[in-house]
Amino acid sequence: RKEVEQDPGPFNVPEGATVAFNCTYSNSASQSFFWYRQDCRKEPKLLMSVYSSGNEDGRFTAQLNRASQYISLLIRDSKLSDSATYLCVVTAGAGGTSYGKLTFGQGTILTVHP
Amino acid sequence: DGGITQSPKYLFRKEGQNVTLSCEQNLNHDAMYWYRQDPGQGLRLIYYSQIVNDFQKGDIAEGYSVSREKKESFPLTVTSAQKNPTAFYLCASSIEGRGTDTQYFGPGTRLTVL
Repeated sequence: RKEVEQDPGPFNVPEGATVAFNCTYSNSASQSFFWYRQDCRKEPKLLMSVYSSGNEDGRFTAQLNRASQYISLLIRDSKLSDSATYLCVVTAGAGGTSYGKLTFGQGTILTVHP
Repeated sequence: DGGITQSPKYLFRKEGQNVTLSCEQNLNHDAMYWYRQDPGQGLRLIYYSQIVNDFQKGDIAEGYSVSREKKESFPLTVTSAQKNPTAFYLCASSIEGRGTDTQYFGPGTRLTVL
């Protein structure tokens, strides 16, 4: 089983749609969770961190379910500029050589069309 | 402007040749990382360094070598022992290398072995 798994998509949605991405992780000791965005042939950039209580940043909402080892990202009112690959990222538990190490999912491709 | 630079952007190499990828940061970050990304896959950690003159192997270190003689610089050498070196290479840095730290990525180097 992969450490971090995402539905690769692609997701094709019209402008204004709401779209949700899911991610599962296998290491129950994982401490920190993030969503990164990667545009075509560019470097990943942090979109948002994911907190246990859930967090929202404008049109983006991230949620974490530790019991189910599941992370989600919801995008409301999709814009053309939201088209990108969204990477789910998990850090290992603290201590040992895994300290600070990020594990990336393979990414979910989103295309928003007019 | 603070940031991470990688050079060159595109690199072509003949089989059997070693090649060194440059990564420089002026963010005063202690930790630096090298990742490799293949099409349709997430990023995989090659090496990381949490402090000058110290570095650790990541998940796929075979065929690669690094050095960390200066805080600002973390060059990666792809040796002829790396069996499938064609990939997108990304360098990143973070303040201290803790799991909660945001990692900032450079623009990447696309290496093609001919």
